[in-house]
Amino acid sequence: TQLLEQSPQFLSIQEGENLTVYCNSSSVFSSLQWYRQEPGEGPVLLVTVVTGGEVKKLKRLTFQFGDARKDSSLHITAAQTGDTGLYLCAGVGTSYDKVIFGPGTSLSVIP
Amino acid sequence: NAGVTQTPKFRVLKTGQSMTLLCAQDMNHEYMYWYRQDPGMGLRLIHYSVGEGTTAKGEVPDGYNVSRLKKQNFLLGLESAAPSQTSVYFCASTQGLAGGYNEQFFGPGTRLTVL
Repeated sequence: TQLLEQSPQFLSIQEGENLTVYCNSSSVFSSLQWYRQEPGEGPVLLVTVVTGGEVKKLKRLTFQFGDARKDSSLHITAAQTGDTGLYLCAGVGTSYDKVIFGPGTSLSVIP
Repeated sequence: NAGVTQTPKFRVLKTGQSMTLLCAQDMNHEYMYWYRQDPGMGLRLIHYSVGEGTTAKGEVPDGYNVSRLKKQNFLLGLESAAPSQTSVYFCASTQGLAGGYNEQFFGPGTRLTVL
């Protein structure tokens, strides 16, 4: 069974601070995705990383896929209150039909 | 385009009652999924479908059944609801392309309480 772990589970920071969220697994994935979910809504895809070692940037968000394609990190620079939400990592299996979600990191950015 | 819609948004059931959750997508996606989300556990896959007329079990299929009679619809059934099935249920769909770029589009969720 493929499992994804995320750390930390909860994170509360001041606006303007930097933070990193981690996603780890003992399994290899064909790609890894990061979603953000706001209260009362479904998750929305932020990024997909496919190649081991890949780094993608979306404005203040930097995503990295581990060389062995088992782990990933999300770094947010100068957090804003609009970054508040639940961040979920998801591993896409090698058969491409299923996505396994991690438990999520709940981020609260305080003004 | 409406994307992925779910019906109903909220429901309260008594133990032993049955109900069906409806998911509809207008993006002509091949793959559809049902997840449940519980605090601290992320999204857990209940059942999924890789095409019209096909279904498969996910991580937590017990107590649920599904049907995909039409490509755009994916139904989740609870035959005899139990309090352990109290959760928020999300439906998702994706085109299902190989190569890892399988963005899942989610519905707004159904909040189910079983008393």
